[in-house]
Amino acid sequence: DVKVTQSSRYLVKRTGEKVFLECVQDMDHENMFWYRQDPGLGLRLIYFSYDVKMKEKGDIPEGYSVSREKKERFSLILESASTNQTSMYLCASSLYRVSNEKLFFGSGTQLSVL
Amino acid sequence: RKEVEQDPGPFNVPEGATVAFNCTYSNSASQSFFWYRQDCRKEPKLLMSVYSSGNEDGRFTAQLNRASQYISLLIRDSKLSDSATYLCVVNWGYKLSFGAGTTVTVRA
Repeated sequence: DVKVTQSSRYLVKRTGEKVFLECVQDMDHENMFWYRQDPGLGLRLIYFSYDVKMKEKGDIPEGYSVSREKKERFSLILESASTNQTSMYLCASSLYRVSNEKLFFGSGTQLSVL
Repeated sequence: RKEVEQDPGPFNVPEGATVAFNCTYSNSASQSFFWYRQDCRKEPKLLMSVYSSGNEDGRFTAQLNRASQYISLLIRDSKLSDSATYLCVVNWGYKLSFGAGTTVTVRA
């Protein structure tokens, strides 16, 4: 089965810190995604990538950047963490470029910004 | 208006009961539809796709109504293990939009 691994389950950072969230998938999927999940709001897409070194903005990219230097790894960067970025961050990957039928999610990183 | 809206519930049902809930979507150009299941403090996992003709997977039945722009999920003979949050997901082109989820709690 596909495995999507996120580097940390829980993370506590201070306002203004630069934060790196790492995600690795082991099934050679082309597509990778970063979502955040907040109560009552559902999953919201931050950034996605269809290929190495390629990135596209999602619905809420402000305050975030991403890096995809290798196919299996997709990193989310919070340039200067703020308290409103406290959230559950979920990385996902999928095989199909067009329809994105099945997303495989990592177990999530609960980030708290103090 | 949110792109995908769900009744948050919770739906509290006894074991063996049938529970059903809907999800509405705003984009009439939506192409494909899914239900994902998310257990407490776990990641979402695909439960089933939703096809135009409706489809079943064991005790789960999904329906699509394009005219009224909603999809539904029905769970028959509920089990304790069905307790979860069910996420409605709608796709158009490259983009997947998630609902906030409907929580179902099955009690013994």
